[in-house]
Amino acid sequence: QVQLVESGGGVIQPGKSLRLSCAASGFTLSSYAMHWVRQAPGKGLEWVAAISYDGSKEYYGDSVKGRFTVSRDNSRNTLYLEMNSPRPEDTALYYCARDPGGIVGATPPSGHWGQGTLVTVSS
Amino acid sequence: QSVLTQPTSVSGTPGQRVTISCSGSSSNIGINTVNWFQHLPGTAPRLLIYNNHQRPAGVPERFSGSKSGASASLAISGLQSEDEAEYYCAAWDDSLNGSVLFGGGTKLTVL
Repeated sequence: QVQLVESGGGVIQPGKSLRLSCAASGFTLSSYAMHWVRQAPGKGLEWVAAISYDGSKEYYGDSVKGRFTVSRDNSRNTLYLEMNSPRPEDTALYYCARDPGGIVGATPPSGHWGQGTLVTVSS
Repeated sequence: QSVLTQPTSVSGTPGQRVTISCSGSSSNIGINTVNWFQHLPGTAPRLLIYNNHQRPAGVPERFSGSKSGASASLAISGLQSEDEAEYYCAAWDDSLNGSVLFGGGTKLTVL
């Protein structure tokens, strides 16, 4: 069955860097676009970034543009989110989610999500 | 980027029917499909409705979705206590470089 498992979360100081990973199994990662979505404490779901099936196109939310980078290694069945210069407001539970297709656009994430990895940005 | 507009909260008694609205614009709901998610904090969101009105396997028929123009709705009939959760709509937005928008979330309380 489809499984997505996030890892790499933890406590990080503002201005440092952190890389989140999302290990995919039960399907061919190279056939699907992927998303990162987060939920800050007491807040709603917020879309963070997306990447096309082959990594050729990336999309970012305004709040992380220029600071975060989404990437993927299809040979390792893994999605990544590089968090540079994180801020306290980036504290959240970060989820990876699968797109219905390979190209980003026209549709939001589908029904396959991981359980999330918690990132706390604090000095 | 603006969010899609949902009511903050709705409530109902067991067996009742409730609806949750999601208001967008011509650059998102008006031209793209809507998904609905049920979410309990700390867990993976559960897909209830995709492509505006379709239900994934395993989602009860009590959950239904519709879309008209730039607005969408989720209806839950035969309300049950386990339906108490946060509900989110989501759609792709074609403005600027493109993005996914989520509604602000609606807390459903079963009285």
